[in-house]
Amino acid sequence: GNSVTQMEGPVTLSEEAFLTINCTYTATGYPSLFWYVQYPGEGLQLLLKATKADDKGSNKGFEATYRKETTSFHLEKGSVQVSDSAVYFCALSEGGGADGLTFGKGTHLIIQP
Amino acid sequence: DAGVIQSPRHEVTEMGQEVTLRCKPISGHNSLFWYRQTMMRGLELLIYFNNNVPIDDSGMPEDRFSAKMPNASFSTLKIQPSEPRDSAVYFCASSSGARRFSYNEQFFGPGTRLTVL
Repeated sequence: GNSVTQMEGPVTLSEEAFLTINCTYTATGYPSLFWYVQYPGEGLQLLLKATKADDKGSNKGFEATYRKETTSFHLEKGSVQVSDSAVYFCALSEGGGADGLTFGKGTHLIIQP
Repeated sequence: DAGVIQSPRHEVTEMGQEVTLRCKPISGHNSLFWYRQTMMRGLELLIYFNNNVPIDDSGMPEDRFSAKMPNASFSTLKIQPSEPRDSAVYFCASSSGARRFSYNEQFFGPGTRLTVL
């Protein structure tokens, strides 16, 4: 079956630090990959996506590149802000999103001023 | 658009009681998903519908759980009887998932926090 593995944290960084959250996946087919973000008390929001190998998804300064050879989709940001504090979920779908999503456990990110 | 609407936002009940969670998807979306979030297991897909028809319910934990989608604008997730281990946040999501292998973003509701005592 499909699975997603990501560092669980919490990850605590100072403002303006460089961020990397690792994500690796196992899939039987050729999945689409996603990062979702969950702010306290809210539902999940799509942060970025990539649908084929070597695609780079980007949004709000965050980036992730679909690496088929290493089955990875690591999330990066060059300079984090306090407002980036949230839980980040890596996810995959083999149906391009038409099917359900398989999520990682989530990484709690805490940015200190 | 109001987004995906879920009710209630919080539910506290006693073991053995019936619980019904409700979801209104975004108008025009034809795929609807129910997820459960717990500390131990993270986010899990329970069931999803395309055009009101259940497609995959393999994530439904046991027969105490049932889900319906009587029309395109409403879905329910029912637990009967409820147990303490059902305590979790239940999310509903919808998408315009008309075509397989064509990416369609899933939009999540705010969730229902269920506590079974």
